[in-house]
Amino acid sequence: GQNIDQPTEMTATEGAIVQINCTYQTSGFNGLFWYQQHAGEAPTFLSYNVLDGLEEKGRFSSFLSRSKGYSYLLLKELQMKDSASYLCAVNHNQGGKLIFGQGTELSVKP
Amino acid sequence: DAGITQSPRHKVTETGTPVTLRCHQTENHRYMYWYRQDPGHGLRLIHYSYGVKDTDKGEVSDGYSVSRSKTEDFLLTLESATSSQTSVYFCAISEMGDRVPDTQYFGPGTRLTVL
Repeated sequence: GQNIDQPTEMTATEGAIVQINCTYQTSGFNGLFWYQQHAGEAPTFLSYNVLDGLEEKGRFSSFLSRSKGYSYLLLKELQMKDSASYLCAVNHNQGGKLIFGQGTELSVKP
Repeated sequence: DAGITQSPRHKVTETGTPVTLRCHQTENHRYMYWYRQDPGHGLRLIHYSYGVKDTDKGEVSDGYSVSRSKTEDFLLTLESATSSQTSVYFCAISEMGDRVPDTQYFGPGTRLTVL
């Protein structure tokens, strides 16, 4: 079966660093995506990992370990506007279909 | 931002009525997807299309049908709406050959309530 797990909720303080974990078990693997979704809005693309290691993009970084079926999204210098849901998704075949985790609701507090 | 629109943005309907949701893109992308998003379930794929008149089922396709007669339009139809189909529906598009292949870009969503 296909399974993607991420914590349901997290809380962090403005200016701090937070790490959102994602573990996956899928029949195939062709890349892992992170999306951000603010309440009432569409998901927006944040990052993509297909090889092991860290991808850095400004305040956001994403890490992948294929052997462990594990990824994390690292958010630095948290801002209030980072309060959102963060979705982990795996492309498990060549057709481009994504399987999504349930999302992690991040609350950033002053 | 990718040019994707969805219509209607909000709809309230009654059980047993047919409903059609429209997704329109201006990016000329080959792949289009319909998802539903419900609390506790995340985004789940209903149907997708890999070209004009080429469609296939996703993980929650029962009760839904789709059509794609033009590259830019992907229609989702609920033949006879049920209360379990109350949800937020998102359309997405993607294109092989992008800098990051298979990245899906989402439309603004349609909030459907079935009474």
